[in-house]
Amino acid sequence: SQQGEEDPQALSIQEGENATMNCSYKTSINNLQWYRQNSGRGLVHLILIRSNEREKHSGRLRVTLDTSKKSSSLLITASRAADTASYFCATLGSNYKLTFGKGTLLTVNP
Amino acid sequence: EAGVVQSPRYKIIEKKQPVAFWCNPISGHNTLYWYLQNLGQGPELLIRYENEEAVDDSQLPKDRFSAERLKGVDSTLKIQPAELGDSAVYLCASSATGGANVLTFGAGSRLTVL
Repeated sequence: SQQGEEDPQALSIQEGENATMNCSYKTSINNLQWYRQNSGRGLVHLILIRSNEREKHSGRLRVTLDTSKKSSSLLITASRAADTASYFCATLGSNYKLTFGKGTLLTVNP
Repeated sequence: EAGVVQSPRYKIIEKKQPVAFWCNPISGHNTLYWYLQNLGQGPELLIRYENEEAVDDSQLPKDRFSAERLKGVDSTLKIQPAELGDSAVYLCASSATGGANVLTFGAGSRLTVL
């Protein structure tokens, strides 16, 4: 079963533009993580935000978390062709099980 | 550091045949995970180990799937017999603790059942 649900399912933008993807979840969490997966490769961790945090930055990444709405967003600024990948949110529940969403496929056109 | 190593990368078998996947986690990582990823979907947890103990195997189809992590280091996931619907990517991951941690994934083993 998958708890997180990303929106949109697919996103296509031009290089230099910002990309925003959203994640909604259903049950309470300890933290929420975002991962990237390039085609045919394993997942790579990008950023983690704890349930008591509202915003976090890492390089060109900005993550927000709204626990009252059970939602998170990932913003990638000044996107590059190399950012083309699938992006997954994953929630860590009280049972310490990390559950992934279905992902957003981001295409950055040069 | 080698990262999480999985083998084989690709496997094609006939249905009803057995298949096994191997994973070597990052040195010192106590927690090991096996995830299943179908095309266009996110990974789904099959089993989680803390050292050599399987602490969450609720999603593992035990009639045909089995896993072991002897000595709390590398792990093997087996399917016997394989069915057409088992075609997917099997991902192994490891983390340093069993709590609010970050997973490091291997490249995955892509299984095709004909």
